Amino acid sequence: AQSVSQHNHHVILSEAASLELGCNYSYGGTVNLFWYVQYPGQHLQLLLKYFSGDPLVKGIKGFEAEFIKSKFSFNLRKPSVQWSDTAEYFCAVIYNRDDKIIFGKGTRLHILP
Amino acid sequence: ETGVTQTPRHLVMGMTNKKSLKCEQHLGHNAMYWYKQSAKKPLELMFVYNFKEQTENNSVPSRFSPECPNSSHLFLHLHTLQPEDSALYLCASSQDLSGSETQYFGPGTRLLVL
Repeated sequence: AQSVSQHNHHVILSEAASLELGCNYSYGGTVNLFWYVQYPGQHLQLLLKYFSGDPLVKGIKGFEAEFIKSKFSFNLRKPSVQWSDTAEYFCAVIYNRDDKIIFGKGTRLHILP
Repeated sequence: ETGVTQTPRHLVMGMTNKKSLKCEQHLGHNAMYWYKQSAKKPLELMFVYNFKEQTENNSVPSRFSPECPNSSHLFLHLHTLQPEDSALYLCASSQDLSGSETQYFGPGTRLLVL
């Protein structure tokens, strides 16, 4: 069955620390990949997306993600986090052959000032 | 402002009530979606509409009844719900169902069933 796994449910970091959130998906043909963020009290927002081309994708607010096809992974990174990055982060995958979007369970990130 | 609005933002209802959730998008999109987000579970796709036609019903109980009168509006009619239906209900829209189009989400309706 198609699935998306986010390895960490909760992550706590200090400001200026480097961040990497894991996302793996099950094989199902060609995919489009997304990272969404939900800040406290706000709705989902798109951070970045990968459709094709350069597997290193740069998004908003200094975030980037790398698509590694051989590992079925799309990990989210930021070299130096800020307190304002405290939020919940969702990885999502669209399997092109059936157009269904599947979300991971989310990772709750807490940044200590 | 994402261009996708949902009303009401919060709803408390009893198991015998009938209520409706409304979603409206101002983006000129042709596809609209209902998702359910329960605590500690991934987002679940409920219904998909494309050009007002329902293209997917993801095994959703009949106590949830969607309606899409036009490409800009999507309703979710609720009746005889159960307490386990309490969740955040998210509406989204995209240009079409090509699979490469980003979905834009509304703020959600937080539903509590007593």
